[in-house]
Amino acid sequence: GNSVTQMEGPVTLSEEAFLTINCTYTATGYPSLFWYVQYPGEGLQLLLKATKADDKGSNKGFEATYRKETTSFHLEKGSVQVSDSAVYFCALSLNAGKSTFGDGTTLTVKP
Amino acid sequence: GAGVSQSPSNKVTEKGKDVELRCDPISGHTALYWYRQSLGQGLEFLIYFQGNSAPDKSGLPSDRFSAERTGGSVSTLTIQRTQQEDSAVYLCASSLWGAGPYEQYFGPGTRLTVT
Repeated sequence: GNSVTQMEGPVTLSEEAFLTINCTYTATGYPSLFWYVQYPGEGLQLLLKATKADDKGSNKGFEATYRKETTSFHLEKGSVQVSDSAVYFCALSLNAGKSTFGDGTTLTVKP
Repeated sequence: GAGVSQSPSNKVTEKGKDVELRCDPISGHTALYWYRQSLGQGLEFLIYFQGNSAPDKSGLPSDRFSAERTGGSVSTLTIQRTQQEDSAVYLCASSLWGAGPYEQYFGPGTRLTVT
């Protein structure tokens, strides 16, 4: 079956630090990959996505590159801010239908 | 435009009672999804609808759980004879349907507490 494995949290960083949250996946076929973010007290929202190998998704300073050879989609940001504190979910989707989500990684950024 | 809405936002119920959770998707979104998020856990897929049909019910935890969708719009998730392990946040999402996959838009969730 399909699965997503995320780096376990929680992750605590100082402001302006570099962020990497690892995500690897297992899928039958060629999935699209997503990062969703859940800010405190808010619902999940899409952060970025990539639909084929070597695509790079980017948004709000975050980036992730679809690596087929390593079945990975690691999330990175060069300089985090306090406002980036949230729970981050990696997900995959094959065609239409349900998405498979990782367990989420909680990020706390301290001033 | 309006996003996905869910009601109620919070529900406290006694063990053994039935509950109904409602989801109003974004207008024009033919796909609708239900997930469950337990404390500190990821999202657990429950069921999805394409129009009024549910091609994949594989995630429903037991026969106490059922869902329906009418008119290609509103969906109701029903939990019968609730148990304490049903306590969680129930999330609904909707998306376009087609060659996709398309981004899922999530509602704020219903927090269910079974006492």
